[in-house]
Amino acid sequence: KAGVTQTPRYLIKTRGQQVTLSCSPISGHRSVSWYQQTPGQGLQFLFEYFSETQRNKGNFPGRFSGRQFSNSRSEMNVSTLELGDSALYLCASSLEAGGLHQETQYFGPGTRLLVL
Amino acid sequence: AQTVTQSQPEMSVQEAETVTLSCTYDTSENNYYLFWYKQPPSRQMILVIRQEAYKQQNATENRFSVNFQKAAKSFSLKISDSQLGDTAMYFCACGNTNAGKSTFGDGTTLTVKP
Repeated sequence: KAGVTQTPRYLIKTRGQQVTLSCSPISGHRSVSWYQQTPGQGLQFLFEYFSETQRNKGNFPGRFSGRQFSNSRSEMNVSTLELGDSALYLCASSLEAGGLHQETQYFGPGTRLLVL
Repeated sequence: AQTVTQSQPEMSVQEAETVTLSCTYDTSENNYYLFWYKQPPSRQMILVIRQEAYKQQNATENRFSVNFQKAAKSFSLKISDSQLGDTAMYFCACGNTNAGKSTFGDGTTLTVKP
């Protein structure tokens, strides 16, 4: 089975621009989560989608948004980019959200975003 | 809210020796899960081991085992017979049954020396 894939792998943008990152979960996985990883802040949870609905949201400004499609693929968008948005953005998928058993999250390789 | 604390930013161990990485957590949930993830220099985050909080028995995966002390909210990772390929950053994480969201510690960078 193919793993979680993220595109693009690397991205360079300038302040004020917007960016869209894509994540394709493992086949059959319905939950997709996004994390921001920076040297100073570690791994910070952005949001999680399940069945095209946002189920959880972290403490990020409204410039960060996401969506999930019917095939479980997910995109996240960052508008009006700031220098501090430079980070590795990780996507993780799991088989099922909620219920008694939290399924293990499987991570993609990440998209490294550099904002100049 | 959940918090996860890894108090050892960096550690090193000689090849073939044993090393223990520490993690403490706090959560108000009754049902939760604990994870150790490994992130090698190539950056792909992979699961090392997971523990369901309702299970008293410590999880084991080959050379990796945990010491889960629920009352103390401690979840340490022991790596036996360390190998050069174990060199990576290790993250401790806590997730509740409202799945898809995990809280991560700041990570411990482990270097295995030949």
